[in-house]
Amino acid sequence: GIQVEQSPPDLILQEGANSTLRCNFSDSVNNLQWFHQNPWGQLINLFYIPSGTKQNGRLSATTVATERYSLLYISSSQTTDSGVYFCAVENSGGSNYKLTFGKGTLLTVNP
Amino acid sequence: DAGITQSPRHKVTETGTPVTLRCHQTENHRYMYWYRQDPGHGLRLIHYSYGVKDTDKGEVSDGYSVSRSKTEDFLLTLESATSSQTSVYFCAISAMSGTSGPSSYNEQFFGPGTRLTVL
Repeated sequence: GIQVEQSPPDLILQEGANSTLRCNFSDSVNNLQWFHQNPWGQLINLFYIPSGTKQNGRLSATTVATERYSLLYISSSQTTDSGVYFCAVENSGGSNYKLTFGKGTLLTVNP
Repeated sequence: DAGITQSPRHKVTETGTPVTLRCHQTENHRYMYWYRQDPGHGLRLIHYSYGVKDTDKGEVSDGYSVSRSKTEDFLLTLESATSSQTSVYFCAISAMSGTSGPSSYNEQFFGPGTRLTVL
């Protein structure tokens, strides 16, 4: 099946810093989503981005489907950005819209 | 909020006992999924449903069964719980455009999770 690799696995920032999280995938995709899992365990949808660039406040994401990667940018980080960020993809060759998740990036933002 | 609830939210049980987790949605979505989350593994698909009484296996289905007798409810059953099934279980729905392929829209939304401990 499709492989999803996220980097870095862990990231520690000072409040106000910027960061870039990366997601590489091994096959073509119909769907790519970024999620934030907050410290309470809730999975929050950040972006639905199978291709192109989107922005939402301090967060933006870019997916280059032809090169099989996606980037999540966090600018002016805040302590509330802490948590785990997951990338998940739906393989174009698959069926029934199943998502395959990466193992996540654990982000810690210190005050 | 995609109108997804899970019950119970927390459960502690003993090895060998049966356990059923419930996922309920209020928006009539056709596709529903059960995932488990374990440290170092991200989320992995257990089973999914593409309609009432239509279900199929995911990548970690051994030891689990599911049922969907009506659109709004998707049940996950552990027939005889084992300690390896201690995990956080998430239900998801797929909000989709109804088409397939590169121009389709299929965004998944997740419930709040159920923390299951098998002693």
